[in-house]
Amino acid sequence: DVKVTQSSRYLVKRTGEKVFLECVQDMDHENMFWYRQDPGLGLRLIYFSYDVKMKEKGDIPEGYSVSREKKERFSLILESASTNQTSMYLCASFGWNTGELFFGEGSRLTVL
Amino acid sequence: GQQVMQIPQYQHVQEGEDFTTYCNSSTTLSNIQWYKQRPGGHPVFLIQLVKSGEVKKQKRLTFQFGEAKKNSSLHITATQTTDVGTYFCAGEGSQGNLIFGKGTKLSVKP
Repeated sequence: DVKVTQSSRYLVKRTGEKVFLECVQDMDHENMFWYRQDPGLGLRLIYFSYDVKMKEKGDIPEGYSVSREKKERFSLILESASTNQTSMYLCASFGWNTGELFFGEGSRLTVL
Repeated sequence: GQQVMQIPQYQHVQEGEDFTTYCNSSTTLSNIQWYKQRPGGHPVFLIQLVKSGEVKKQKRLTFQFGEAKKNSSLHITATQTTDVGTYFCAGEGSQGNLIFGKGTKLSVKP
């Protein structure tokens, strides 16, 4: 079974802090994604990556950056966290064989 | 930009009643996928529809893809409490990424 693992289930940070959210997948997938999920807004794409060192902006990239140094790892970075970045962050990996997205368990970030 | 609209946002049903959620895209989709997210969980893939007019069934769930490949629906017959959760549709965007609808949150009263 594909496993997508996110480093932290729950984080509490202060405004202005730098935040790293890490995601690792074990199926050698090329495509990986970061979404945020907020009530009433559904899943919104922040960034995605098709390959190592490649990244593409999604719908809401402002305030975020990403890093893909290794194929299995896709990191989301908040350079200076703000309260409006309090959200659930979901990482996903895409399997071409089945055409489906595999999601991690999610990281719930609270910025005070 | 490309959008996928999903209605209703919420649906409350009595156990045993049917439930339907609808998705509409502003553009023609190459395929559409459906995901279910249980309360406190993460989205899990249910199915993918590719062909115009395609209908697929999974037990009590029926998925349809419109003839114009711009709309889709998920119908649950005789809901059970295990059906509780949020159902998302997702269509493939021009960049190859998936564009999600906002989801329909289903609650089932026993």
